[in-house]
Amino acid sequence: AQSVSQHNHHVILSEAASLELGCNYSYGGTVNLFWYVQYPGQHLQLLLKYFSGDPLVKGIKGFEAEFIKSKFSFNLRKPSVQWSDTAEYFCAVKTGGYNKLIFGAGTRLAVHP
Amino acid sequence: GAVVSQHPSWVICKSGTSVKIECRSLDFQATTMFWYRQFPKQSLMLMATSNEGSKATYEQGVEKDKFLINHASLTLSTLTVTSAHPEDSSFYICSARDLFMAPEESHNEQFFGPGTRLTVL
Repeated sequence: AQSVSQHNHHVILSEAASLELGCNYSYGGTVNLFWYVQYPGQHLQLLLKYFSGDPLVKGIKGFEAEFIKSKFSFNLRKPSVQWSDTAEYFCAVKTGGYNKLIFGAGTRLAVHP
Repeated sequence: GAVVSQHPSWVICKSGTSVKIECRSLDFQATTMFWYRQFPKQSLMLMATSNEGSKATYEQGVEKDKFLINHASLTLSTLTVTSAHPEDSSFYICSARDLFMAPEESHNEQFFGPGTRLTVL
């Protein structure tokens, strides 16, 4: 069965620090990959997505992610975080012709001023 | 655009009662809506996929007679938790796909509602 693992459950950073959140999936075929963010008290929002083309994907708010097929990874990065990036981040995968998203467990990011 | 709403945003009910949660796509039509459940500090788990005009497809381990899903129109799906028990307390989130986006986009993106927190006493 497909699965998504996020390596870090909690990350604490100071403002201006660089961020990298890991995401690995288990599936050998074609995948569509997503990162969602959930700010405190708000609904899930799409940060970025990959479904074909350039494996380096740029999203909103300065986030980017790189799809490395050989490593089954889709890590999220931001060169300089802000306090407002405090949120929970979810990696998700959709495989083949299936509609459903498989989510990782999420990573809680806390950014201190 | 692409806004999904849920009602109510929270509900508290007594054990044994039924609770209905609505999911609406406000500015687009959605052939497919999805219902997720999120336990505290855990990820979203897909419960069922709801297609307009047909029966919902439930994930393994989800009781279809307990979690009734109706998708009567292209903008509304409902989830009814029947005979709710304390273990059903959770955060229920719906999402929807936009029917009229470009084919590759509509194939891949879901828009999420704000969620409904259910507490069963």
